Amino acid sequence: QSALTQPASVSGSPGQSITISCTGTSSDVGGYNYVSWYQQHPGKAPKLMIYEVSNRPSGVPDRFSGSKSGNTASLTISGLQAEDEADYYCSSYTSSSTAVVFGGGTKLTVL
Amino acid sequence: EVQLVESGGGLVQPGGSLRLSCAASGFTVSSNYMSWVRQAPGKGLEWVSVIYSGGSTYYADSVKGRFTISRDNSKNTLYLQMNSLRAEDTAVYYCARDGSGSYSFDYWGQGTLVTVSS
Repeated sequence: QSALTQPASVSGSPGQSITISCTGTSSDVGGYNYVSWYQQHPGKAPKLMIYEVSNRPSGVPDRFSGSKSGNTASLTISGLQAEDEADYYCSSYTSSSTAVVFGGGTKLTVL
Repeated sequence: EVQLVESGGGLVQPGGSLRLSCAASGFTVSSNYMSWVRQAPGKGLEWVSVIYSGGSTYYADSVKGRFTISRDNSKNTLYLQMNSLRAEDTAVYYCARDGSGSYSFDYWGQGTLVTVSS
């Protein structure tokens, strides 16, 4: 059960846009529109930011958007704010027996 | 209001057992997909197990044969029975709800720490 591949870290200045990639295979990211993204601040539980590739739950700012191309999904945060500094994880349904697989996580630093 | 409250974590010796509980309120556990997700200290998230509304269960290879997920509908509570614990099982364990059946977790508990050490 290989985790999805994310960059270890990304950074950006306030007001800028950043994109975090999440690469899987045709058995997970590429095969299903069940990609999710989570934000986690230190010591806190994860928070759902995007589900089904590009849908935002109620209350999530529209600065957060998701997309997918082939086996790679992406989370874009526009108009970066200081409070966006956190760890971000992608996840996907997988047709292997595990049901859900997570990415390794990406630390976002707002400079 | 949807709430998930985990309990049952603690210090256990290698080879020991522990049962985690996740008390739910504001929704019905048996009508949703419910999962356990863990996070080792300083590490990323790892999906552990799921119980679907129909009762089917699935496990990560790392815990298969050692962990058992279950639910008590009368108590609206999710459980994780963990046997033959190893040092690498040390983590914060979260219960999480998939409220839409889209393999995304819209509500999480606060987590309970399990430490496996002699």
